[in-house]
Amino acid sequence: SQQGEEDPQALSIQEGENATMNCSYKTSINNLQWYRQNSGRGLVHLILIRSNEREKHSGRLRVTLDTSKKSSSLLITASRAADTASYFCATASGGNEKLTFGTGTRLTIIP
Amino acid sequence: DADVTQTPRNRITKTGKRIMLECSQTKGHDRMYWYRQDPGLGLQLIYYSFDVKDINKGEISDGYSVSRQAQAKFSLSLESAIPNQTALYFCATSDSQTVSYNEQFFGPGTRLTVL
Repeated sequence: SQQGEEDPQALSIQEGENATMNCSYKTSINNLQWYRQNSGRGLVHLILIRSNEREKHSGRLRVTLDTSKKSSSLLITASRAADTASYFCATASGGNEKLTFGTGTRLTIIP
Repeated sequence: DADVTQTPRNRITKTGKRIMLECSQTKGHDRMYWYRQDPGLGLQLIYYSFDVKDINKGEISDGYSVSRQAQAKFSLSLESAIPNQTALYFCATSDSQTVSYNEQFFGPGTRLTVL
């Protein structure tokens, strides 16, 4: 079963614009992570936000977490062609800390 | 992550064959995972291992088995492959001793086709 659901499923924007994607989840979490996947390749960890944090930045990435709404957003500012990829949220909950992944947002940056 | 390797990278096999996918890591991590990814879906956890003597079923373990031969090696077997096991398979690792202990590091994937 999928814990997280990303929205939108697909997003196309012009290079230089900002991209925002959202993740909703169902149960209480310990932390939420975002991963990037280039076509057919392994996932790469981008950023982790803990349940007691509301916002976190890393370079051009900004992540917010609203535990009352069980949702998170990932903002990529000043997008580049190299940002074209699928983005997945993953939640960790319970005592064993395994991750449950969402279905992903496919982001296309148009040069 | 180049420190997590998977073999083979691509495999085509026939229904009923036994297949083994192998994963090795040089990161020194204690935790290892196997996932499958189907088109348009996220990753589904097949099995995970928190140390050599600890093996746990994930969401979709039916039809699969695993072996943790050493801390650095975790293999996935399909005892009798069937077409709906056609998918992209990923191995991942994490380190329970770090602050971000469930950040996972992924291998490049194995594309398996069952005819």
